[in-house]
Amino acid sequence: NAGVTQTPKFQVLKTGQSMTLQCAQDMNHNSMYWYRQDPGMGLRLIYYSASEGTTDKGEVPNGYNVSRLNKREFSLRLESAAPSQTSVYFCASRPEGVSNQPQHFGDGTRLSIL
Amino acid sequence: AQSVTQLGSHVSVSEGALVLLRCNYSSSVPPYLFWYVQYPNQGLQLLLKYTTGATLVKGINGFEAEFKKSETSFHLTKPSAHMSDAAEYFCAVSDRRGVYGGATNKLIFGTGTLLAVQP
Repeated sequence: NAGVTQTPKFQVLKTGQSMTLQCAQDMNHNSMYWYRQDPGMGLRLIYYSASEGTTDKGEVPNGYNVSRLNKREFSLRLESAAPSQTSVYFCASRPEGVSNQPQHFGDGTRLSIL
Repeated sequence: AQSVTQLGSHVSVSEGALVLLRCNYSSSVPPYLFWYVQYPNQGLQLLLKYTTGATLVKGINGFEAEFKKSETSFHLTKPSAHMSDAAEYFCAVSDRRGVYGGATNKLIFGTGTLLAVQP
């Protein structure tokens, strides 16, 4: 049972470099999400995809782009990394339907921007 | 707009003592409510959820939470703390409307409470 798989687990970038964080789920879920976690701020939604072919901005989308490649995969791209984007990034997915279903989380990508 | 407040960013208890982690929410309609736990260097794992029905909800690892509409609260409790309970705990709310009612299926998280268990 892989669930939600994120790659890479760790990454160090220099300011201005670009990078794509990968996320894949094998639970046939329609909805997928990208969050960032910073100390004392909980998890904040960056982007989400309610279904294949659709994406929408969350609370903190600036500096990021996303691609819902297919039903399984949802990637997050940093075009020009900034130190303020140093964070732990989590991908999540959930089944289609009413919003009482929980989200399932990956183990995170720890990203440092120097 | 929905919001979640977790009182106490750090809570310390002795092993065997009662665990009480507080969560209050703000929502125009009764939301769905969740508690997640995060162990070091891991993702979030669902502890329990409240959707409808019984207001006292039991979850994994001996945790439970009670939905109190009049107090807009969903506090998490465990009668006897164990060393393995040391982790960060997040309360979250979700829009109650279904997907056909325009819900975004988004979760709003509290800022988390780090639980330490002393021997």
